[in-house]
Amino acid sequence: QVQLVESGGGVVQPGRSLRLSCAASGFTFSSFGIHWVRQAPGKGLEWVAVIWFDGSKKYYADSVKSRFTISRDNSKNTIYLQMNSLTAEDTAVYFCTRQLGFGEGSYFDYWGQGTLVTVSS
Amino acid sequence: SYELTQPPSVSVSPGQTARITCSGDALPKKYAYWYQQKSGQAPVIVIYEDNKRPSGIPERFSGSSSGAMATLTISVAQVADEADYYCYSTDSSGNGGIFGGGTKLTVL
Repeated sequence: QVQLVESGGGVVQPGRSLRLSCAASGFTFSSFGIHWVRQAPGKGLEWVAVIWFDGSKKYYADSVKSRFTISRDNSKNTIYLQMNSLTAEDTAVYFCTRQLGFGEGSYFDYWGQGTLVTVSS
Repeated sequence: SYELTQPPSVSVSPGQTARITCSGDALPKKYAYWYQQKSGQAPVIVIYEDNKRPSGIPERFSGSSSGAMATLTISVAQVADEADYYCYSTDSSGNGGIFGGGTKLTVL
């Protein structure tokens, strides 16, 4: 069965860095694009970033551009989100989610359970 | 920046029809998707490409889109349908994504 398991969350001071991981299993990992979506406590969903199936393209929300970097290691079936210069506004549960399909018409069909990042001094 | 606008809340009685709207300038050219999120859980897709229902989603969930507005309709709403519902679409470049602010559906 398809599984996505996030890890790496925790409490971090403002200005510091954190790296999240998303370990995938149960499907041909190298054939799917993967997104990160976050949700601040009590707030709505916010799209964060995407990486194509082969890692050739990466796109970011304006709110994280130049601070966050998405990457993947297809040999380890793992997605990473390197988060730098963190602020309190980055406090959220971070979900990774699989993109079914390509381009218009594709959607998120499987999600992890999320990992909580708290930015606080 | 581009936005998708949803009403913060919708309330219906069991058995009634609930309609949740999502407005955005790019929706005439972009598909709308709808995700259901129950408390403490990850989201679940309920409608894709404006009006298609994934396997396993009850027929009482339907979607439509006209002009700059997409609508999620839940016919014969059940208490089990209580959740937050988010519309989603791609940005103008087609490379990034955007969620609406979410609508809390109450069925009581």
